[in-house]
Amino acid sequence: AQKITQTQPGMFVQEKEAVTLDCTYDTSDPSYGLFWYKQPSSGEMIFLIYQGSYDQQNATEGRYSLNFQKARKSANLVISASQLGDSAMYFCAITRGTSYGKLTFGQGTILTVHP
Amino acid sequence: SAVISQKPSRDICQRGTSLTIQCQVDSQVTMMFWYRQQPGQSLTLIATANQGSEATYESGFVIDKFPISRPNLTFSTLTVSNMSPEDSSIYLCSVEGPKGKETQYFGPGTRLLVL
Repeated sequence: AQKITQTQPGMFVQEKEAVTLDCTYDTSDPSYGLFWYKQPSSGEMIFLIYQGSYDQQNATEGRYSLNFQKARKSANLVISASQLGDSAMYFCAITRGTSYGKLTFGQGTILTVHP
Repeated sequence: SAVISQKPSRDICQRGTSLTIQCQVDSQVTMMFWYRQQPGQSLTLIATANQGSEATYESGFVIDKFPISRPNLTFSTLTVSNMSPEDSSIYLCSVEGPKGKETQYFGPGTRLLVL
């Protein structure tokens, strides 16, 4: 079974600063993927970034980058140059094998960006 | 990216009644997924809906409580039966991205409150 742990219930960051949201995982699948989603107060789930377990390089998408350390089973999200609109809940999730549809989510981290 | 719509967007229901949630995708997809997000909690996969076959339910979810239909490749329904206040949640449907696009798209969700 897969398990995702997000140990930071809440994080605060100053506008324009960088912030790292932690995510550790456990899985017995030899091949898997890791997702980060943003959920604003409206409730929609917004895809941010994906990292495959066999990808050689860490994933990047604009201001988002993923610090993937496979041996440590961690997949931390780094948000650079934080904006007020980044204030939201952030979820880390892992696939069940290579099925992108079947995700196991962590408990989430609430990020608050201060002006 | 896939565009997913859900109906209703929100509803308030009485205990003991049932509600059917619709999910429409703008492209044909093999599998559709239903998730539940209880208040203040993370997302949990309820079931996978394949066109032309019975839905596959996750541990803790049963067909009698959450019957699912998948009449074609762009549409699915989830029924929450014999509701109780514990069923108050956001229900989201999702689909995998196209081949080569490692992502999963979520619908806007249906906010359900059971009194």
